[in-house]
Amino acid sequence: DTEVTQTPKHLVMGMTNKKSLKCEQHMGHRAMYWYKQKAKKPPELMFVYSYEKLSINESVPSRFSPECPNSSLLNLHLHALQPEDSALYLCASSQGVSGPNEQFFGPGTRLTVL
Amino acid sequence: AQSVSQHNHHVILSEAASLELGCNYSYGGTVNLFWYVQYPGQHLQLLLKYFSGDPLVKGIKGFEAEFIKSKFSFNLRKPSVQWSDTAEYFCAVNGGSTLTFGKGTMLLVSP
Repeated sequence: DTEVTQTPKHLVMGMTNKKSLKCEQHMGHRAMYWYKQKAKKPPELMFVYSYEKLSINESVPSRFSPECPNSSLLNLHLHALQPEDSALYLCASSQGVSGPNEQFFGPGTRLTVL
Repeated sequence: AQSVSQHNHHVILSEAASLELGCNYSYGGTVNLFWYVQYPGQHLQLLLKYFSGDPLVKGIKGFEAEFIKSKFSFNLRKPSVQWSDTAEYFCAVNGGSTLTFGKGTMLLVSP
């Protein structure tokens, strides 16, 4: 199984809502990532988890809160988002964070903030 | 810090034409190099990767790329494109613990 799954596929939320994005992989990978991708732009790294611990936070606003409950799951909790946060949110995983590692990407959650 | 530069933002080709997309990177150490493709409405897929060894790597769907260390380049090639190759192509480099993407090249293949 070389698949990263993400739910939901689409999410529409108001600026006062609280919602969560979920990501799952069963490849035994120990590194997981959240990226944000705006239309016609490359993915931008948000967070990196290594062995279930947050190792990189790319100065992401606190309205985005990541969580790694176990080695297979990665969540992104959303609260008080702004319309400019509307984007495709991608999850990825790899065997490790350093060395020759390929990142496997999920299909993404397309988020619209009203 | 590492960076990636893709030469062309938009490329338009006719079917059966040959393709070469340029990619240059900046990093002082050992790098791992990737080309990803994103078809319209779909997620990122890995086309090919270079970690070490033979600098000419072959990927899926007839794509290949050549790593030229002296030029810090990793150009993507395909001898004959198809309409179904219409997509966004991203070059990416991993020199440490993070993956840095280029801005992408939108390829449009006309039938």
